[in-house]
Amino acid sequence: EDQVTQSPEALRLQEGESSSLNCSYTVSGLRGLFWYRQDPGKGPEFLFTLYSAGEEKEKERLKATLTKKESFLHITAPKPEDSATYLCAVTPLDDQFYFGTGTSLTVIP
Amino acid sequence: GAVVSQHPSRVICKSGTSVKIECRSLDFQATTMFWYRQFPKQSLMLMATSNEGSKATYEQGVEKDKFLINHASLTLSTLTVTSAHPEDSSFYICSARDSMWGRFYGYTFGSGTRLTVV
Repeated sequence: EDQVTQSPEALRLQEGESSSLNCSYTVSGLRGLFWYRQDPGKGPEFLFTLYSAGEEKEKERLKATLTKKESFLHITAPKPEDSATYLCAVTPLDDQFYFGTGTSLTVIP
Repeated sequence: GAVVSQHPSRVICKSGTSVKIECRSLDFQATTMFWYRQFPKQSLMLMATSNEGSKATYEQGVEKDKFLINHASLTLSTLTVTSAHPEDSSFYICSARDSMWGRFYGYTFGSGTRLTVV
């Protein structure tokens, strides 16, 4: 059964304290893995797409990496404005789309 | 990048009335669109998959007669909540699959619609 699991559910960081969010997946073939950011009352905002193991992508303080079983979203020296829920989603080869439950990140000044 | 426009962003309606939510792909053709519902502090729950020119596919437990989906063109899908009741109050989000010439680019989301039924 295809599954996506994110951890931790919630994370509180001090401003400048780097950390990583995890997305573990079990799918029968991966077409793409996606990271989104969602602010309260807003739709998910696209961050990254990763297609194959070993791939990495960066955007400002965020860096996403992918292995055959999981993806990490590394946050370097976070700022309060990075506070949001980060969602991971995967598309297997059958073109379905599975969301994880998200990680709620709070960055304290 | 791909943009999906969703309207309205907020709507308040009386119990028993119907509400229509629109989802448009602005700079790409979306043969497939998705409708989600999200409860507070929870992840998105897929309600239905909307394919242009054909009937929507609903997830188990979603009432197709209550949540009418129409995908009449390659850039527009609508969700109509019929005979709305307070328990239908929620945050509804659409997304579109961005693909062209057999290449898959990803999924883009609308900004969401906050529905409150009073």
